[in-house]
Amino acid sequence: DAGVTQSPTHLIKTRGQQVTLRCSPKSGHDTVSWYQQALGQGPQFIFQYYEEEERQRGNFPDRFSGHQFPNYSSELNVNALLLGDSALYLCASTPTGANYGYTFGSGTRLTVV
Amino acid sequence: QQQVKQSPQSLIVQKGGISIINCAYENTAFDYFPWYQQFPGKGPALLIAIRPDVSEKKEGRFTISFNKSAKQFSLHIMDSQPGDSATYFCAARRVGSQGNLIFGKGTKLSVKP
Repeated sequence: DAGVTQSPTHLIKTRGQQVTLRCSPKSGHDTVSWYQQALGQGPQFIFQYYEEEERQRGNFPDRFSGHQFPNYSSELNVNALLLGDSALYLCASTPTGANYGYTFGSGTRLTVV
Repeated sequence: QQQVKQSPQSLIVQKGGISIINCAYENTAFDYFPWYQQFPGKGPALLIAIRPDVSEKKEGRFTISFNKSAKQFSLHIMDSQPGDSATYFCAARRVGSQGNLIFGKGTKLSVKP
């Protein structure tokens, strides 16, 4: 049973560029959350998607946007990249209505130069 | 404003010893308190979790103690092993937040042989 899969694993972008990160949730999970983990810090909640809608959002600017597809997979888009956006981006999934037992992927390491 | 404070930042324990990591939360209603284990290059993996109506939960060598009145909870790792060396995060989910986990800053545990 595949867990949460994220792609790509590593990415280097230039300041000002745009980036798209992808996530496939664990089988049977339909709710996807995105987190940003800066080096040496705990993950910070960006937003959550359910039924293709953004259900909740953390304290992140509008440069961060997302999408969920009918197959429950999700994308995280970041526009106008800043050096401070360099981080590990984590996707977590959970089953409908459970809101417990979040399963995290291994993340995408984004470096902005 | 950090709502979940974790200590210590780092911890060195001898093999066979007890590792204790503490977390405290601030003036917010939370209804779910998970602990995550993270190895380098990997996403966080759920270790054990507790609800606030329970004072203690044990799973194998891992125990959560929860003190609702003090707004504190802790992770105890009994018979610590070198393979337990990782970064541990406590987290809390705000009531009604539908999935927004608030993480502590993490504790890097090293278990010496």
